[in-house]
Amino acid sequence: QVQLVQSGAEVKKPGSSVKVSCKASGGSFNNFAITWVRQAPGQGPEWMGRVIPILDTAYYAQKFQGRVTFTADKSTNTAYMDLSSLRSEDTAIYYCARDMVGLLDFWGQGTLVTVSS
Amino acid sequence: EIVLTQSPGTLSLSPGERATLSCRASQNVRSSNFAWYQQKPGQAPRLLIYGASSRATGIPDRFSGSGSGTDFTLTITGLEPEDFAVYYCQQHGSSPPMYTFGQGTKVEIK
Repeated sequence: QVQLVQSGAEVKKPGSSVKVSCKASGGSFNNFAITWVRQAPGQGPEWMGRVIPILDTAYYAQKFQGRVTFTADKSTNTAYMDLSSLRSEDTAIYYCARDMVGLLDFWGQGTLVTVSS
Repeated sequence: EIVLTQSPGTLSLSPGERATLSCRASQNVRSSNFAWYQQKPGQAPRLLIYGASSRATGIPDRFSGSGSGTDFTLTITGLEPEDFAVYYCQQHGSSPPMYTFGQGTKVEIK
């Protein structure tokens, strides 16, 4: 059974960056992609993009292009999401999920990122 | 971009009743690329249905999915107390990758 464990909550100033980690256990990074989804308070999930660790390839939703970077460390089975130029609208819970050809079948517990001056 | 519109926004039902949730897509969606998720307060979404009609591992058979093209339905036959939650539909495309979610239907206790 795959488990995804994310890093803890963050409070950031507008204009700064945040890096969220997602460590997988119970499965190899060689076999799946990691998708990142965020959810603003009271809103539905929003897809940010995905990374395929074995190919070192990332795809970004157009909305976040240029502001987000996904990376993956295959040696530690850990994926990272780096979001820059933070603004108040980026306040949300950020989730990683195992992506099996579009199916998001295992999710991390979520990381709350609060952007506030 | 494909937009998914869910209805109703809120469904007020009693335990034991049947829930019928709808998701309409702005363009045709491949059934193999369509899924439903359940989310409870303070938890991550949980995959319920994939391929429009296949139950994910461990999902009880009171949950069923149907539909094709632009119209999809999630049915919960005989609501249990643990089924009161928010449900999201989701589709994905592969070239280029693009995933969208509906805005959700809340199933609440009447």
